[in-house]
Amino acid sequence: EAGVTQFPSHSVIEKGQTVTLRCDPISGHDNLYWYRRVMGKEIKFLLHFVKESKQDESGMPNNRFLAERTGGTYSTLKVQPAELEDSGVYFCASSQDVAGKQFFGPGTRLTVL
Amino acid sequence: AQSVTQLGSHVSVSEGALVLLRCNYSSSVPPYLFWYVQYPNQGLQLLLKYTSAATLVKGINGFEAEFKKSETSFHLTKPSAHMSDAAEYFCAVSVGGSARQLTFGSGTQLTVLP
Repeated sequence: EAGVTQFPSHSVIEKGQTVTLRCDPISGHDNLYWYRRVMGKEIKFLLHFVKESKQDESGMPNNRFLAERTGGTYSTLKVQPAELEDSGVYFCASSQDVAGKQFFGPGTRLTVL
Repeated sequence: AQSVTQLGSHVSVSEGALVLLRCNYSSSVPPYLFWYVQYPNQGLQLLLKYTSAATLVKGINGFEAEFKKSETSFHLTKPSAHMSDAAEYFCAVSVGGSARQLTFGSGTQLTVLP
């Protein structure tokens, strides 16, 4: 069974540019989560999808971040325009049900110069 | 709101020695507690979780953790460290009877010395 995959593994962009991160959850997992770890600090929750619906987006830092999950399969997280403080590792996780174990992807390391 | 504190961002132990990684939590309601491990270039992997059943929880790779409500702690231990245990370890908490929003500690990097 394939795990959670994320693309790209690394992204280096300049301040003001746009970046789109992609997450492919485990097949059949309705729940998809985005987390972020900035500058070696805590991993922080960003948002939670149930199928294509945003169940909880309380962790999204500001309106420069837009997450989508069209069709309830893969998800994208767009940062536009990127700022220096957006640098960090973005993790995606999926679970079969809300109370279930979350399976994490390897993360996308974003560097904003 | 819940929070997690991991004492020690870096811990070094000798191979064969006891591993002890500390985690204290804060929660106004009974929490669910987790330990995750991240090996280089991999995603976080669940080691074990506490969900209000037995206070001593056994996980994978010989790790276990004990929930101590009086101390608000959930320390991770392993009797004998192996070189392959070198990784970053994260303690996390969730409330509300589900794992939908995990609150993580800042992580502890474990180094195992030969």
